[in-house]
Amino acid sequence: AQSVTQLGSHVSVSEGALVLLRCNYSSSVPPYLFWYVQYPNQGLQLLLKYTSAATLVKGINGFEAEFKKSETSFHLTKPSAHMSDAAEYFCAVSDPNTGNQFYFGTGTSLTVIP
Amino acid sequence: DSGVTQTPKHLITATGQRVTLRCSPRSGDLSVYWYQQSLDQGLQFLIHYYNGEERAKGNILERFSAQQFPDLHSELNLSSLELGDSALYFCASSVAYRGSYGYTFGSGTRLTVV
Repeated sequence: AQSVTQLGSHVSVSEGALVLLRCNYSSSVPPYLFWYVQYPNQGLQLLLKYTSAATLVKGINGFEAEFKKSETSFHLTKPSAHMSDAAEYFCAVSDPNTGNQFYFGTGTSLTVIP
Repeated sequence: DSGVTQTPKHLITATGQRVTLRCSPRSGDLSVYWYQQSLDQGLQFLIHYYNGEERAKGNILERFSAQQFPDLHSELNLSSLELGDSALYFCASSVAYRGSYGYTFGSGTRLTVV
C-alpha cells in the first residue's frame, strides 16, 4: 500500500527566501513520486515527477525535488520564492506496477510574504 | 488550458437530486480518472477507465457511477445527493493504461448541494 505524509499544512516564506515543502512516503514497492500545484479555482498542475531515474528531479518554475530512499522522502525546494508561487502543493505516490491511482497528501498551502 | 475539459464548472443542486458531470480527456489520452476533493477528505480517487473499460475503483459510493464512451469522454453520475457530497470533482487523463508518468487534470466541477 502507498501513502504520503506532508508535514506542515501551511508554510510561509518571504519573497526571495528558500522554499522547502516536506513529503514523506510509505510504499511496499519502489514508488513513483509526484508534486502537483493547485492555484485558486484551478485544477492540479504537474510540477515534477520521479520515476526511478535520476534522484534529483527538476521541474517547472524553478522547483526541484530529491528522492531519498533512506529517508523515504521527496521534499520540494526552490531557492528563491516568488509571489506567484503562492498556491497549494500536493505530493503524490503511485505504484509503478499498477499506476491506476495516485495517493495524494493532504496538501501544503504556501504563502509568500512580500 | 490543460486539454482536459470538464463541464459544468459550477453546479448547485438540492439534496436528493441527481447530476451528471462530464469530462473530455486530452486528445490521444485513453485513460480517465475521477477524483473528489473536499476539505475534510482531501483528494480521493474515485474510479479509473481505460479505453471504455473500468479498471480500478477507489472510494466511490454506490450512489455514484461512471462510464467512458466510445469517443473517450467520461461522465460521472451522482444520485440521491447529500450535503456531504459537496466538493470539487476533478477528472484527469493520461495516454497510457498506467498513470505512472503523471496525469493531466481538468479544472474541476464545483458541486454544491443545498
